[in-house]
Amino acid sequence: GAVVSQHPSWVICKSGTSVKIECRSLDFQATTMFWYRQFPKQSLMLMATSNEGSKATYEQGVEKDKFLINHASLTLSTLTVTSAHPEDSSFYICSAQKGTYTEAFFGQGTRLTVV
Amino acid sequence: KQEVTQIPAALSVPEGENLVLNCSFTDSAIYNLQWFRQDPGKGLTSLLLIQSSQREQTSGRLNASLDKSSGRSTLYIAASQPGDSATYLCAVRNAGGTSYGKLTFGQGTILTVHP
Repeated sequence: GAVVSQHPSWVICKSGTSVKIECRSLDFQATTMFWYRQFPKQSLMLMATSNEGSKATYEQGVEKDKFLINHASLTLSTLTVTSAHPEDSSFYICSAQKGTYTEAFFGQGTRLTVV
Repeated sequence: KQEVTQIPAALSVPEGENLVLNCSFTDSAIYNLQWFRQDPGKGLTSLLLIQSSQREQTSGRLNASLDKSSGRSTLYIAASQPGDSATYLCAVRNAGGTSYGKLTFGQGTILTVHP
């Protein structure tokens, strides 16, 4: 299978600061990447769809200005949590695909704790 | 709106047993269905991908079936091992509606295989 690397795997930051999470497809080019958020003991909630070279498409209820997504190349998408607050603490996971409807490969996730 | 349900929510079995995890979805307009495994605090590992035109896929001790018309999929695990303990998630790739092209996840089945 394909490999998706997410970095960092965990991060602690202070309220009001910004945190950037990277998602890289290591051995394939990903035209589409997705960002999810997962609450404890719950399933994945899609936050946004990231297409290379274009603006991300956000799901209803997700604040665009708070969760900035950039997909500058076919192998890298970044999620920046701006002005983080404790309620932003969560597990964030990215996925990447070679094509629009093909198999999804997931990163190892990032545990964000805002103190 | 697509809804995915997984039964049972949790399952505990002794080592060596064969077991079946169930997944049902409400909208049969799908491109494919994917089964994932998630270990605590980790990302998702893709286990099997079944295209909408396929009936089943096999990988090692895992066999997944798909009955698109009835909106059901099963994941069969043969000769279970303690290392199989994890949360198993199924997800469908939607081919219609407001979630077109996106994955909709079930809530997962927490599997525990005890020695």
